Amino acid sequence: SAVISQKPSRDICQRGTSLTIQCQVDSQVTMMFWYRQQPGQSLTLIATANQGSEATYESGFVIDKFPISRPNLTFSTLTVSNLSPEDSSIYLCSVGRGEKLFFGSGTQLSVL
Amino acid sequence: QQPVQSPQAVILREGEDAVINCSSSKALYSVHWYRQKHGEAPVFLMILLKGGEQKGHEKISASFNEKKQQSSLYLTASQLSYSGTYFCGTEQVSGNTPLVFGKGTRLSVIA
Repeated sequence: SAVISQKPSRDICQRGTSLTIQCQVDSQVTMMFWYRQQPGQSLTLIATANQGSEATYESGFVIDKFPISRPNLTFSTLTVSNLSPEDSSIYLCSVGRGEKLFFGSGTQLSVL
Repeated sequence: QQPVQSPQAVILREGEDAVINCSSSKALYSVHWYRQKHGEAPVFLMILLKGGEQKGHEKISASFNEKKQQSSLYLTASQLSYSGTYFCGTEQVSGNTPLVFGKGTRLSVIA
C-alpha cells in the first residue's frame, strides 16, 4: 500500500483568495493525480502531475485556476486560485502503485 | 468517457444481497471498484482485467463480462460495515492512465 499524507484536511477560505494543498507520498512515484469531489458527487480528475514536466489538465480545468507543482517524486501541491463558492469541494491526491490507486485523506474546502 | 453506474442508491437490511453495475459503451481495459465511507478517502476493493473474469471472496465479489463493457459488484449477506458509496473506476487503455469514475452507488445497510 501507499501512505499519502495530505494537508490541510480542511479549510475555510474567503472569496478571491487561494488555497494550496500539499501531498506527500512515502515513496517515489512517477505520476500523481489530483481529483475533485463535489458534495455528494463522483471523483473528477483535475490533472496529472509528472515530475519534471508541466501537469496535464483535463477538459474544464486550467493551469491559471489550478496551478500544480511537482518538485520531486514524492511531493506535489495543488493550488486553487481566486476562490469562489463553486470551488467548495473535497480535493484528493492519489498515486498508483501496481494496479491500485491510493488516495490521500482529502482536503475539504469551504469558500465563503 | 464516464461509466454508468446503477442503481444510484440502495437500502439493505443486514444479511441481504446487492448488486451494483458499471457499464461502458466501449470496451474497457480494466475496471476498479472502490468504497468510500462518509468523510473518508476511497478505498480500493478490487480490479478486473480480463473478459469473463470473476474475482473476490464469497462476501464481496465482482465480475467483468466477456465484451469488457460491463462489471458487476456483488455484496452478499451484507453487514453494517458495508455501508458507503461504491464507485467503479475505468481505464480504456493500459499504461498507468488515470481512472474515470462513475457517479457512485450509495449503499446503506440497516439493522
